[in-house]
Amino acid sequence: EDQVTQSPEALRLQEGESSSLNCSYTVSGLRGLFWYRQDPGKGPEFLFTLYSAGEEKEKERLKATLTKKESFLHITAPKPEDSATYLCAVQGRAAGNKLTFGGGTRVLVKP
Amino acid sequence: DTGVSQDPRHKITKRGQNVTFRCDPISEHNRLYWYRQTLGQGPEFLTYFQNEAQLEKSRLLSDRFSAERPKGSFSTLEIQRTEQGDSAMYLCASSLPDTQYFGPGTRLTVL
Repeated sequence: EDQVTQSPEALRLQEGESSSLNCSYTVSGLRGLFWYRQDPGKGPEFLFTLYSAGEEKEKERLKATLTKKESFLHITAPKPEDSATYLCAVQGRAAGNKLTFGGGTRVLVKP
Repeated sequence: DTGVSQDPRHKITKRGQNVTFRCDPISEHNRLYWYRQTLGQGPEFLTYFQNEAQLEKSRLLSDRFSAERPKGSFSTLEIQRTEQGDSAMYLCASSLPDTQYFGPGTRLTVL
C-alpha cells in the first residue's frame, strides 16, 4: 500500500525566511508525485508534478525536487500570501488512478 | 470559470437523512474522482470514473455511499442514512490521464 508522510506538520516563518517542506513516500512503482496548495475551506490547487528522481520544477518562490524516497518543496523568501497547507500526493503503478495524500504541512508566514 | 464545480458548497443535515452532491468536471476531462477530507488530514480516495464507468472504489465507500456518472459528464455522490462520522469535506477532481484538478468541495455537517 502506498504511503506518504509529510513533515513538519506546521511551520511558522517570518517573511523572507526561506525553508523546506519534506514529503517521504513508499510506493510500488511511482507514476507521479504531486504537490498541491490548499487554502482554508477550499479545494487543493495544483502546483507541480514530478515523475522521476532528479527532476526539479519551479514556480515563483516555490521549487519542488524529487529523489527515490522523498520530495522537497522549497519556499524561497516567502510572503504572507504563501500561507497555506501544502499537500503532497503520490500515484503508484499498482494503485490504479487514485492519489495517496500525506497529512499536509500548514505554513504560516508572518509579516 | 472553466474549472471543476461542485454543488452545494455547504450542506447541513440531520443524522439519518440522505444527501446528494453534484460535481461538474472540466469539460474535456474523461476521468472523475471523489475524495473525502476531514479536518487536519489529507484527502482520501473514494471512487474513480473513466467516462461513465466506475472503475475503482475504496474500502471507505460503504454500502451507504453510491456514485454515478450517467452520461460521462457530471457525477453525483449520494450518502444514505447519514451518520455523524460522515461529516467532512467531499472533494471532486477531474483529469485527462495525468494531473487531477480539484473543485472547491462540499462541506457536509451531520447533526
